Amino acid sequence: DGGITQFPKYLFRKEGQNVTLSCEQNLNHDAMYWYRQDPGQGLRLIYYSQIVNDFQKGDIAEGYSVSREKKESFPLTVTSAQKNPTAFYLCASSIGHRKATNEKLFFGSGTQLSVL
Amino acid sequence: GESVGLHLPTLSVQEGDNSIINCAYSNSASDYFIWYKQESGKGPQFIIDIRSNMDKRQGQRVTVLLNKTVKHLSLQIAATQPGDSAVYFCAENGPPDKLIFGTGTRLQVFP
Repeated sequence: DGGITQFPKYLFRKEGQNVTLSCEQNLNHDAMYWYRQDPGQGLRLIYYSQIVNDFQKGDIAEGYSVSREKKESFPLTVTSAQKNPTAFYLCASSIGHRKATNEKLFFGSGTQLSVL
Repeated sequence: GESVGLHLPTLSVQEGDNSIINCAYSNSASDYFIWYKQESGKGPQFIIDIRSNMDKRQGQRVTVLLNKTVKHLSLQIAATQPGDSAVYFCAENGPPDKLIFGTGTRLQVFP
C-alpha cells in the first residue's frame, strides 16, 4: 500500500524529556509537513521540507526540531522546550514544491502525544 | 490576519438527507480551496478541491461551490450516509503559498 505511515500511534512524554515522532512516506513525494492539531482549532504548521536536506519553520516551530536526511522520512522531535506538547500530530506530504502540485496534502493517521 | 472559518461547528442530519457544510474565507487573493474529512483518531482525508477560476465542482456524491463575491465556500453531500459522520475542514491556499485550515465542522448522521 502506498501512503504515509506515522508511528507510534500514542506517545507519552515525561517532563524534561525529548521524544521523536516518526513519519515515513512511499509516495515519492518531495515535500513533507508536520502539523499540530488541538481540540477546536485548525491545523497549525510546525515545520515543512520542500526537498531532502532542507526544511523551514512553520508558524509554531518553537520547541520542535526536524531532519530530512532521506526523501521518505521526516521525523519530528518534541523537545523539553515545548511546554505544552499534548496534541495530535499530523504528518503530511505533497508531490512537489511547485505551487501547482504543492497544494493537495496527503496525511498520515497521526500520533497522539500526551504528557505524564 | 487572514483566516478560514466555519459557520456551524456541529451539523446533524438524517440519513438520506443532503448535507451542506459552509466555510468563510477572508483572503481574497486565495486561489485554491480544498475540503478534508477527518474521522475520529485518524488523519484528514482529501474529499474535493476547487480553483478560484471555477464556481462549482462535482465529485462522487459531493459538490463544492465557491462564491468569490462573498468569499464563501460550501461542501454539499448528497444522500448522507452514516459513514459520512466526521469532522470536515476547509482550507485555502493563498499568499504566502501555504494552506490555512479552518477549525472544522462536525457532521453527525442519525438514522
